[in-house]
Amino acid sequence: DVKVTQSSRYLVKRTGEKVFLECVQDMDHENMFWYRQDPGLGLRLIYFSYDVKMKEKGDIPEGYSVSREKKERFSLILESASTNQTSMYLCASSLWIVRGREANVLTFGAGSRLTVL
Amino acid sequence: AQKVTQAQTEISVVEKEDVTLDCVYETRDTTYYLFWYKQPPSGELVFLIRRNSFDEQNEISGRYSWNFQKSTSSFNFTITASQVVDSAVYFCAGGTSYGKLTFGQGTILTVHP
Repeated sequence: DVKVTQSSRYLVKRTGEKVFLECVQDMDHENMFWYRQDPGLGLRLIYFSYDVKMKEKGDIPEGYSVSREKKERFSLILESASTNQTSMYLCASSLWIVRGREANVLTFGAGSRLTVL
Repeated sequence: AQKVTQAQTEISVVEKEDVTLDCVYETRDTTYYLFWYKQPPSGELVFLIRRNSFDEQNEISGRYSWNFQKSTSSFNFTITASQVVDSAVYFCAGGTSYGKLTFGQGTILTVHP
């Protein structure tokens, strides 16, 4: 079974803290994504990565950074957490398009609900 | 830029009713993909269907069916004879080949027994 695992399901942090959200996939997918989900806004793309050490900004990258040192792992970093970053964070991965029928279908992790106080 | 609009924020039906969720995808791309995902109360998004922009065939899978019309950029999802287990948030999404998707705001479907 295809699996995307997010390290923490629930986190509570204080304003100004550095926060790491970890995501690991075991499907040998090239693409990895971080979205945040807020009520009434759907999912919004923060960052994505096509390959190791490669990253591209999504629609709302401000206040976030990412790291992809290994193909299977994609980390989201909040350098200095703020209350407006309280949200559900969803990691996803997908195959590169040329690799077949299920390419570019996102497989999601269970989510990490972050509360910043 | 792409935009996904889901017409309904919330829908409430009684079991066995049919229900249609509407989605419109706006883009300047001529080739794109459309998706529907389901997010049950457990929280994990589940892939339901992918449709290519050049394939306007309707698709049926059990009680689920999808109608794509490129002329109106609509990709509607119908559940026939709804069940309580269909209660979830449903997201429509669209994008190009790299898997970078734009999502709608979601439709909360509640099916009452």
